[in-house]
Amino acid sequence: GAVVSQHPSRVICKSGTSVKIECRSLDFQATTMFWYRQFPKKSLMLMATSNEGSKATYEQGVEKDKFLINHASLTLSTLTVTSAHPEDSSFYICSATPMWSSGNTIYFGEGSWLTVV
Amino acid sequence: AQKITQTQPGMFVQEKEAVTLDCTYDTSDPSYGLFWYKQPSSGEMIFLIYQGSYDQQNATEGRYSLNFQKARKSANLVISASQLGDSAMYFCAMREGRGNTGFQKLVFGTGTRLLVSP
Repeated sequence: GAVVSQHPSRVICKSGTSVKIECRSLDFQATTMFWYRQFPKKSLMLMATSNEGSKATYEQGVEKDKFLINHASLTLSTLTVTSAHPEDSSFYICSATPMWSSGNTIYFGEGSWLTVV
Repeated sequence: AQKITQTQPGMFVQEKEAVTLDCTYDTSDPSYGLFWYKQPSSGEMIFLIYQGSYDQQNATEGRYSLNFQKARKSANLVISASQLGDSAMYFCAMREGRGNTGFQKLVFGTGTRLLVSP
C-alpha cells in the first residue's frame, strides 16, 4: 500500500480562491519532502523543498507567495495554492524519503489533480 | 544543459517481448543515483529500480533491469517479457549527491510512453 498519501486526489476550485494539498508519510518520518508539478504530457518539475521546522526552499521561477508550503511535522507537508488561476491547473505530486534511508528510497504520493475554473 | 535525456517519446512492443528504454544523464558529481519510475494514467509514480553511481553491478528487480554504462553516462531500463499492464509513461530520474537529507530531490527526463500490444 501507499506509504506517502496525498489529499485530495482531485480538487476543483474557483478562480481567486485558495486550495490546500496535504502530503503525509504514513509509516515513517521525513525531515524533507519535495513538491513537484506536472503539466499534461510533460515531465515532473521540482517546485520546492519542504523542510520540517523551517522555511521551504523554492526553485527558480516558482512564486513562494503563491505556493505556500508548510512542513509542520515530520509526517506532514502542505502546499497551498493561493489566489488560484486557471493556469495553476496541473498535477501536483509530493515525495518523501525516510530519515533512515540512504537516499535511494524515494516515495511519491498518489498526486493531486487541481482544476481551477 | 539537460541533465536527463530520454530520446524516445514513444515505444511499441509486443506482449512477451523485451524492450529497452533509453536514458542518458549528465552530472559532474561523482556521487549520484539513478531511478526509473512508471506512471500510469492515474498519475501515481511507481518506483521500479535504482542504481547508485558506486554500485558495481547492474540493478535488477524482477522483470526490470538497468543497463548501467557509467563511462557512457547511460542508464537504460530493460523490461523483459512485456505485459499489457506495462503500458504507461516511464521516467528516468537522477539524484545528485549522496542522498542525505536535503539531497533527495530528483531531476526527471521527459519520459517515454510505452505501449504493449497483444
